[in-house]
Amino acid sequence: AQKVTQAQTEISVVEKEDVTLDCVYETRDTTYYLFWYKQPPSGELVFLIRRNSFDEQNEISGRYSWNFQKSTSSFNFTITASQVVDSAVYFCALKNPRSGNEKLTFGTGTRLTIIP
Amino acid sequence: KAGVTQTPRYLIKTRGQQVTLSCSPISGHRSVSWYQQTPGQGLQFLFEYFSETQRNKGNFPGRFSGRQFSNSRSEMNVSTLELGDSALYLCASSVSLIGGGGTVQNIQYFGAGTRLSVL
Repeated sequence: AQKVTQAQTEISVVEKEDVTLDCVYETRDTTYYLFWYKQPPSGELVFLIRRNSFDEQNEISGRYSWNFQKSTSSFNFTITASQVVDSAVYFCALKNPRSGNEKLTFGTGTRLTIIP
Repeated sequence: KAGVTQTPRYLIKTRGQQVTLSCSPISGHRSVSWYQQTPGQGLQFLFEYFSETQRNKGNFPGRFSGRQFSNSRSEMNVSTLELGDSALYLCASSVSLIGGGGTVQNIQYFGAGTRLSVL
């Protein structure tokens, strides 16, 4: 069975502070993909990043960075110098590509509020 | 390129009625998946369609059904609505290319959802 845990339900930080969103996953598969999505108030899930299980390199995209550690089954997401536009609910998700289908298993999400 | 389009955006129904939601995927995408999002259960997978065939199904009662047309557009239907069916229903599409070893290596792109309220 697959499971994604986002222990932080809600986080509030003051603008320009750095913030890290935690994601811990469980899977028996050796091949899998991890994702982060952002859900603004409009409701649409916006794709942020995909990482496969064989690539543990950290990734940086502007103010966003991701730290993937297989040893701790974690895929954490850091926003540097946060901005009010970063306020949203963020979801971590897991997919088993060998299942032959597209099913994503989501965490419960972390609501991030950036205080101006 | 247009994104995933879901219609309608909002729906209000009463218990016992049925409802049909529509999803138009990104052009060229052949896979369409549906998810239900509620405050209590979070995001849950309903089903996925690929080339007009249901490829996977989540743990939902038979009142939830779907289909996919030859142009990849998909509909989902909920019959005999219950109060607990009130939710945001999200549709996602992907190219669904098969990579090495039969793995499905794709990114799913989501629509803005249909918010269903059952009174």
